Amino acid sequence: QVQLVQSGAEVKKPGASVKVSCKASGYTFTSYGISWVRQAPGQGLEWMGWISAYNGNTNYAQKLQGRVTMTTDTSTSTAYMELRSLRSDDTAVYYCASMASRDGYIIDFEYWGQGTLVTVSS
Amino acid sequence: SSELTQDPAVSVALGQTVRITCQGDSLRSYYASWYQQKPGQAPVLVIYGKNNRPSGIPDRFSGSSSGNTASLTITGAQAEDEADYYCNSRDSSGNMRVFGGGTKLTVL
Repeated sequence: QVQLVQSGAEVKKPGASVKVSCKASGYTFTSYGISWVRQAPGQGLEWMGWISAYNGNTNYAQKLQGRVTMTTDTSTSTAYMELRSLRSDDTAVYYCASMASRDGYIIDFEYWGQGTLVTVSS
Repeated sequence: SSELTQDPAVSVALGQTVRITCQGDSLRSYYASWYQQKPGQAPVLVIYGKNNRPSGIPDRFSGSSSGNTASLTITGAQAEDEADYYCNSRDSSGNMRVFGGGTKLTVL
């Protein structure tokens, strides 16, 4: 079965960077991409971007352009999301999700990781 | 602000039918997907494409679309269906993904 296991909670100071990992198993990692989504406390879901695990192509949300970098390590089936210049409003649970193609449709968020809480506080 | 608009809250009596809607111009061109999220848990995909359910999702969940509105219908709502529901699709440019603001479903 598909599993996405994320790294543990982080506490960072404003201006710092955070790197969250997402280890995939149960499918061929390079067949699909990985999406990243965040959820601030008590708020809705916000799409951050995605990366193709096949060729490393990325597509980032305009709001995060210049501050976010998504990468993959195909040797370990792991995706990474790095967010720089952290601010208090970056405090959120960060999720990775596997992309897929099913029945002729592209699914951007088929299976989800358990989430990683990133707290930005001085 | 989101390019996909959802009602913040909807309620339904146990065993009755409820429709949760999602409006946006991009839905004239792209299908919506729907996600269920219970407190403290990651979202779960319940509907994708025209009206497709992943394995393990009960057949009381169905999806439909008309014009700029996508709908998630739960026929015979159960207590365990109480959750937040989010729609997702592409934005007007087709390049970005966007979520609706979410609908909190209460089963009475």
